[in-house]
Amino acid sequence: QVQLVESGGGVVQPGRSLRLSCAASGFTFSNHGMHWVRQAPGKGLEWVAIIWYDGSNKYYADSVKGRFTISRDNSKSTLYLQMNSLRAEDTAVYYCARAASTVWSGFYYWGQGTLVTVSS
Amino acid sequence: QSALTQPASVSGSPGQSITISCTGTSSDVGNYNLVSWYQQHPGKAPKLMIYEGSKWPSGVSNRFSGSKSGNTASLTISGLRAEDEAVYFCCSYTITSTMIFGGGTRLTVL
Repeated sequence: QVQLVESGGGVVQPGRSLRLSCAASGFTFSNHGMHWVRQAPGKGLEWVAIIWYDGSNKYYADSVKGRFTISRDNSKSTLYLQMNSLRAEDTAVYYCARAASTVWSGFYYWGQGTLVTVSS
Repeated sequence: QSALTQPASVSGSPGQSITISCTGTSSDVGNYNLVSWYQQHPGKAPKLMIYEGSKWPSGVSNRFSGSKSGNTASLTISGLRAEDEAVYFCCSYTITSTMIFGGGTRLTVL
């Protein structure tokens, strides 16, 4: 069965960096686009970034552009999110998600999420 | 870019049908057949219910259906059950190569 397992969350001070990982199994990782989606405590969902199946294209939400970098290692079936210059408003549960039939079709499978808290 | 507009809450009795609307613009919902819908129970990850406007992922009941008219997409749930009580989010691809969510609709099964 498909599994997506996020890790790397925690408490970090404003302005510092953190790298999230998402380990994928149960499908051919290198065939699928992957997304990061976040949810602030008690709030709605916010799309963060997408990476093509081969890493050739990446797009970001305006709120994180220039600070966050999405990447992947297909040999390890792992997705990453490098988060720099973190702000209080980046506090959220971060989910990785596998794209549906096309990269923009929707988020077919989700991980359980990892909580990032930005606080001094 | 502003979030897609969803009603904050809807309710219905078991067995009834309800519809949740999701209003965007010609830069997102109205211009692409790339609306998806998600169900989220408290403390859980979201679950895909509909993608590409009206397609069912494997294992999702056909009591859930999606449609679109102009800039507004809709999710209809027929034969309401207690387990359908959750928060529902819509999402659309946008003209700027990003994705945008609605604010979420809390469904209460009376």
